[in-house]
Amino acid sequence: GNSVTQMEGPVTLSEEAFLTINCTYTATGYPSLFWYVQYPGEGLQLLLKATKADDKGSNKGFEATYRKETTSFHLEKGSVQVSDSAVYFCALASSAGGTSYGKLTFGQGTILTVHP
Amino acid sequence: GAVVSQHPSRVICKSGTSVKIECRSLDFQATTMFWYRQFPKQSLMLMATSNEGSKATYEQGVEKDKFLINHASLTLSTLTVTSAHPEDSSFYICSARPAGGRETQYFGPGTRLLVL
Repeated sequence: GNSVTQMEGPVTLSEEAFLTINCTYTATGYPSLFWYVQYPGEGLQLLLKATKADDKGSNKGFEATYRKETTSFHLEKGSVQVSDSAVYFCALASSAGGTSYGKLTFGQGTILTVHP
Repeated sequence: GAVVSQHPSRVICKSGTSVKIECRSLDFQATTMFWYRQFPKQSLMLMATSNEGSKATYEQGVEKDKFLINHASLTLSTLTVTSAHPEDSSFYICSARPAGGRETQYFGPGTRLLVL
């Protein structure tokens, strides 16, 4: 079955530091890949997505590139802010048909804390 | 756009009672809604997929008689936790996929359930 593995956290950075959160996946077919962010006590917000190999998703200074050869979708940001402190989830959406179509499989989440 | 609401945001109930959680897509129609459960500091676990006008599809290990799901319209799905017990205490999150949409899901803010 499909699976997503994220780097273990928590990750603690100083403001303006460079961020990388690794994500690798196992899936059949051609899944779409997502990064979601969850702020304390809230639901998930879509941060960015990529639907095919070599696509780059970007939003709010965050980027991730769909690498089929390494089955990866690492999240990066050049300069983090205190407001980026949250839990980040990597996810894939099944491309299989039937009742499995579009079902999301999540990684375990990575807690990011950014200090001033 | 693409706003999903949940009600209530938090609920406390006595053991043995039933609790209903509503999930609404406010500005789009959703043929498919998903219900997730999230334990503290853990990832989201898909409980069931709800399709408008048909029976929900439950994930393996999820008791369908305990977690009743109804998707009565294109903008509303409900999850009823029947005969709740303390082990049902959790954060329940719904998501909605727009009609005609592909894989993107939009998440509600979540409902915190505490069973005493």
